[in-house]
Amino acid sequence: RKEVEQDPGPFNVPEGATVAFNCTYSNSASQSFFWYRQDCRKEPKLLMSVYSSGNEDGRFTAQLNRASQYISLLIRDSKLSDSATYLCVVSRSGGYNKLIFGAGTRLAVHP
Amino acid sequence: DGGITQSPKYLFRKEGQNVTLSCEQNLNHDAMYWYRQDPGQGLRLIYYSQIVNDFQKGDIAEGYSVSREKKESFPLTVTSAQKNPTAFYLCASSIGDRGNQPQHFGDGTRLSIL
Repeated sequence: RKEVEQDPGPFNVPEGATVAFNCTYSNSASQSFFWYRQDCRKEPKLLMSVYSSGNEDGRFTAQLNRASQYISLLIRDSKLSDSATYLCVVSRSGGYNKLIFGAGTRLAVHP
Repeated sequence: DGGITQSPKYLFRKEGQNVTLSCEQNLNHDAMYWYRQDPGQGLRLIYYSQIVNDFQKGDIAEGYSVSREKKESFPLTVTSAQKNPTAFYLCASSIGDRGNQPQHFGDGTRLSIL
């Protein structure tokens, strides 16, 4: 079983739609959580950190459920420019800053 | 502008050849990392360095080597012992090595075998 699992998609949605991505992680000792965005053949870029109380950044809302070891990302009012792969990333506790990357969920927003 | 610069953008390796990928950052970050990304897979950690003159193996270090002689620079050498080097290589850095500090990436090097 992978440490971080995501639905690979693709999610094909029209502009203006609301879309949600889910991610599960297996290591209960994980301390920090992030969503990264990766455009085709480009580097990953930090979208947002995920906090226990949930957090919002404009059209993006992230949620964390530690009991279920589950992270989500909600995108409201999708734009064409949101088309990308979204990577769920989990950090382990202790030692160095080791990030475990999910394989990503691909989103395609169409007109 | 502050950032992480990787070069070259594309690289081709011949059989039996060692090649070196460059990574330079001017963010004054202590920690630096090398990842490899294969199609349909998550990034996998090759090597990391928490401080100058120190580095540690990641999950897939075999066939790779690194050095960290300067804070700004963390070059990766793909040796001939790495039998499947074709991949997208990403260098990252973070302020420190604590888990709550996100990592920021360079724009990558695509390595292929000739």
